[in-house]
Amino acid sequence: GAVVSQHPSWVICKSGTSVKIECRSLDFQATTMFWYRQFPKQSLMLMATSNEGSKATYEQGVEKDKFLINHASLTLSTLTVTSAHPEDSSFYICSARTNRDRDEAFFGQGTRLTVV
Amino acid sequence: AQSVSQHNHHVILSEAASLELGCNYSYGGTVNLFWYVQYPGQHLQLLLKYFSGDPLVKGIKGFEAEFIKSKFSFNLRKPSVQWSDTAEYFCAVIRTGGGNKLTFGTGTQLKVEL
Repeated sequence: GAVVSQHPSWVICKSGTSVKIECRSLDFQATTMFWYRQFPKQSLMLMATSNEGSKATYEQGVEKDKFLINHASLTLSTLTVTSAHPEDSSFYICSARTNRDRDEAFFGQGTRLTVV
Repeated sequence: AQSVSQHNHHVILSEAASLELGCNYSYGGTVNLFWYVQYPGQHLQLLLKYFSGDPLVKGIKGFEAEFIKSKFSFNLRKPSVQWSDTAEYFCAVIRTGGGNKLTFGTGTQLKVEL
């Protein structure tokens, strides 16, 4: 299957700083990438849909100014958590769909963010 | 709002036991259905999917799932589990025409004991 790489795997940052998470499709072009957040013992919650060359579409309740998404190329989407606070600590996962099979999603390994 | 329910949060089985994990969704329209698995320390991986046709779908590693439209269910089964099946299993649904958004269930943590 297709490979999605997410970086970093884990990050610890101080309150008030910003953190950037990268999501790359390594062997395919992804016009659409998705960003999820997973709380302990809970499901993956979709945060936003990232479309190459256009603005991301955010789910209800997700602050677009806090979670900045950029999808500058067909293989890279970034999520920047701005002015991070301890409540932003979570597991963030990206996924991408290939153009060949639009409905099968491939997932990155996730990023564990801890804000201290 | 569309939701996906997985009733079993934790399941413990002995090797060779049979497995059935429940998944129900609330949307009444046309859906595409998926089961994903996450082994410890690894990415989410697709186990199997249903788009249309035969409601009994077979996936990797001996897993299968049956789509029962009247029950809004897509239960995952395996006749004989192995220790290596220890993982977290997620059911997911896409409502066709709904922006291709995957909605996940809360997941089921399966532990298979030797």
